[in-house]
Amino acid sequence: DAGVTQSPTHLIKTRGQQVTLRCSPKSGHDTVSWYQQALGQGPQFIFQYYEEEERQRGNFPDRFSGHQFPNYSSELNVNALLLGDSALYLCASSLVQIRNTGELFFGEGSRLTVL
Amino acid sequence: KQEVTQIPAALSVPEGENLVLNCSFTDSAIYNLQWFRQDPGKGLTSLLLIQSSQREQTSGRLNASLDKSSGRSTLYIAASQPGDSATYLCAVRGGATNKLIFGTGTLLAVQP
Repeated sequence: DAGVTQSPTHLIKTRGQQVTLRCSPKSGHDTVSWYQQALGQGPQFIFQYYEEEERQRGNFPDRFSGHQFPNYSSELNVNALLLGDSALYLCASSLVQIRNTGELFFGEGSRLTVL
Repeated sequence: KQEVTQIPAALSVPEGENLVLNCSFTDSAIYNLQWFRQDPGKGLTSLLLIQSSQREQTSGRLNASLDKSSGRSTLYIAASQPGDSATYLCAVRGGATNKLIFGTGTLLAVQP
């Protein structure tokens, strides 16, 4: 049973570029959330997708956008990259039926470095 | 606004010692609290999930407690081992939101 998988694991971009990160949820899960973790900090919630729609969003600018596909996988897109976007991006999956009480499972993350 | 604090920020103990990590949160209206482990540069591994109606959860050498009224949770690690060295994060899920609010973590080093 595969857990949450993310790709790529590492990538380097320059300021102003755009990046797409991908996530496949744990088998049987239908909800995907994205988090940004800066060095030495706890993860910060970006947004959550369920039924291919953004259901909730954290305090992130519109440069951050996402998508969920019919197979429940998800993408995180960041446009016009800034140096401050350098972070570990974590994807988490859960099951909507127990959305408020269920356990979140995280992937290994995508380490983004912006030069 | 929910805020989560973890104390201490870093902890170093000799192997075999029992230890307690602390987590406090400002809004007691939570659905659950989850403890995670994070190895350097890696993702989060879920350790224990405590529902708001529960007082504690146990898994092997780990025991987590929850006191909603005081806004506190503790993670107790028995007979610590060098392999327990990692950052431990606690996170709460609030009442009107599906998102987790994280603390900044406790960096644990267990010395052999």
